Amino acid sequence: EVQLVESGGGLVQPGGSLRLSCSASGFTFSNYAMYWVRQAPGKGLEHVSAISNNGGYRYYADSVKGRFTISRDNSKNTLYLQMSSLRPEDTAMYYCVRGAGSSPGVGAFDIWGQGTMVTVSS
Amino acid sequence: DIQMTQSPSTLSASVGDRVTITCRASQSISSWLAWYQQKPGKAPKLLIYKTSSLESGVPSRFSGSGSGTEFTLTISSLQPDDFATYYCQQYDSYSRTFGQGTKVEIK
Repeated sequence: EVQLVESGGGLVQPGGSLRLSCSASGFTFSNYAMYWVRQAPGKGLEHVSAISNNGGYRYYADSVKGRFTISRDNSKNTLYLQMSSLRPEDTAMYYCVRGAGSSPGVGAFDIWGQGTMVTVSS
Repeated sequence: DIQMTQSPSTLSASVGDRVTITCRASQSISSWLAWYQQKPGKAPKLLIYKTSSLESGVPSRFSGSGSGTEFTLTISSLQPDDFATYYCQQYDSYSRTFGQGTKVEIK
C-alpha cells in the first residue's frame, strides 16, 4: 500500500524550531518529487515547499523562505521539513505529499499523508 | 505567482443535482490543472489531473473541462458522499497555487 506518514508536529513557542518527518512506503521514493502543503485551521491549502527526486532542486513559498528547509534521505525513504523562527501564522496542519513526477514542475499531488499539526503559540 | 479563483465559495445542492464549480487562473496554465476533494478532518484527495483525466478509482460522475484560464469541475449526479470542499490547483509553475475552495453543502 502506498503510504505517507508524517510526524514531529506539536506546540512550539514563537521563534522556536521544529522538524517534521514523513516516512514513505509502498513505492520507489527516489523516483518522485515531494512536497509539503499546509492548511491553517478553517482555511485553504498552501503549497509551502518542494524537492526534486534527487534533492537537486528545492522550492519555497515566499512566506517561509529563509526560515524553512526541505530535505530528503532516499536511503531512508524519508522527507523532512526543518522549520525555524516559527511564527503564529505558521500554525497549520502540515501534509506530506507525493507529486506524480520526478521534478517539482511536473504532475499533480497524487498521494497525501494524514498530516501533522503544528501550533505556534506562547 | 499565478492566482486561482474559484466560484462559488459555497454551493447548496440536493442529492441527484448536477453541480458545476468554476476555476479561473490569472494567466494561461495550458491544461495543467487538478481538482481535489477534502472532507472534514481528512487530507485532500486527487480527483482529476491535467484538466480532464480522472484519477484511478474516482467515480465517473466527476468530470473536468477547460483550458488556458478557465476550467470547470462537474458532478453529474450529486451523491451523499460528495458533500465536501473542492479545490482546484494549477501546476504550470513551481509555485503550485490552489483556489480558495468551494464547499458543497446539503440543500
